[in-house]
Amino acid sequence: QPVLTQSPSASAALGASVKITCTLSSGHSSYSTFVIAWHQQQPEKGPRYLMKLNSDGSHVKGDGIPDRFSGSSSGSERYLTISDLQSEDEAVYYCQTWGTGFRVFGGGTKLTV
Amino acid sequence: EVQLMQSGGGEVRPGGSLRLSCEASGFKFDDYGMNWVRQGPGKGLEWVASISWNGAKTDYADSVRGRFTISRDNARNSLFLQMDALRVEDTAFYYCAKDSDFDSWGPGTLVTVSS
Repeated sequence: QPVLTQSPSASAALGASVKITCTLSSGHSSYSTFVIAWHQQQPEKGPRYLMKLNSDGSHVKGDGIPDRFSGSSSGSERYLTISDLQSEDEAVYYCQTWGTGFRVFGGGTKLTV
Repeated sequence: EVQLMQSGGGEVRPGGSLRLSCEASGFKFDDYGMNWVRQGPGKGLEWVASISWNGAKTDYADSVRGRFTISRDNARNSLFLQMDALRVEDTAFYYCAKDSDFDSWGPGTLVTVSS
């Protein structure tokens, strides 16, 4: 099963944009085709689904997710871009994927705004 | 609107048992696989177990296999996690989540294993 690697932290200013990366483990070409999901966890809250992101960069967002959130892909990397950062975007962001017999999360990226 | 309402949880001694429940509404429950995910104190999200739409297939993380059992009752739109032989390291918030991409989450319930 793949390993999902995320940088532990990121920071950006209010109103700016940030791109968070999730890297599927290398060494196996099929991992570049994996679909992932992005989830947000604000402080002291449960996780919230943001979107499903395909290997071609197409994505489907969850209900009520603002247009400021978008996804993209390149090879084994999956990205979450948040534009016009708001204070409420300060959270931990997790990527996640799945396959036969497994579900796996990345370690999370803590975003400071 | 999809809703996942959780119950169960609490404090238990090491070696004890606990059963978590998750009642679903707002979608056709028996069309979807379901999952349990946990988060230990100060840690990231950890997948615990999954079950197919009809309960025929279950999968477990290595850390809980043989001790935890996931099940469902489609007539009651409910998901369960039976946790036996609990260890201190099982202390965590436990969340139920819908479908392979966890597109809806329950509010979570705290399980504390302590002597």
